[in-house]
Amino acid sequence: KNQVEQSPQSLIILEGKNCTLQCNYTVSPFSNLRWYKQDTGRGPVSLTIMTFSENTKSNGRYTATLDADTKQSSLHITASQLSDSASYICVVIFNAGNNRKLIWGLGTSLAVNP
Amino acid sequence: DTGVSQDPRHKITKRGQNVTFRCDPISEHNRLYWYRQTLGQGPEFLTYFQNEAQLEKSRLLSDRFSAERPKGSFSTLEIQRTEQGDSAMYLCASSLSGLDGGELFFGEGSRLTVL
Repeated sequence: KNQVEQSPQSLIILEGKNCTLQCNYTVSPFSNLRWYKQDTGRGPVSLTIMTFSENTKSNGRYTATLDADTKQSSLHITASQLSDSASYICVVIFNAGNNRKLIWGLGTSLAVNP
Repeated sequence: DTGVSQDPRHKITKRGQNVTFRCDPISEHNRLYWYRQTLGQGPEFLTYFQNEAQLEKSRLLSDRFSAERPKGSFSTLEIQRTEQGDSAMYLCASSLSGLDGGELFFGEGSRLTVL
């Protein structure tokens, strides 16, 4: 069964600290993996898109890694800010015939406290 | 603002009433998606269009739900005879079709509360 699991479910850190969010998937055949940030009551916003051949991709203070062999991805946030408080959702895209299908994780809820 | 826009942002209705949501995608995007999201959950796929053709519908989309994209531009999602279980955030996203499935750009969502 195609699944995406994220951990931890929620996380509280102090402003300025770093954190790492995990995403494990069992999706096949893999096309690409995406991390989205979703503020409360808002739509998700794309942070990174990673293809099979990419191991690391950065977007400002956000760095995503992908290990396609172990089917794991992580999102590392450096020097956290209060505005990083949000839900971070991992999405894996796989090939289904002529279509691409998206499998969404449940997200990690991050709270950055002053 | 040239992003995806959704209207209304909030809708409160009584059980049994019909509601309609509108989505205006990014103008050059040929794909449009509808998702539903409840608190603490990830978005659940409902349906998607490529231009004006509705190519896929989720089993979540009961016969009370209908979506249209008549001219391949804006889309509407109608829910008939609303039930309390329909209370959720309804998200619209658009993309360009591409080998990687295209990057999705989401609107701010339409939050439905059914009393």
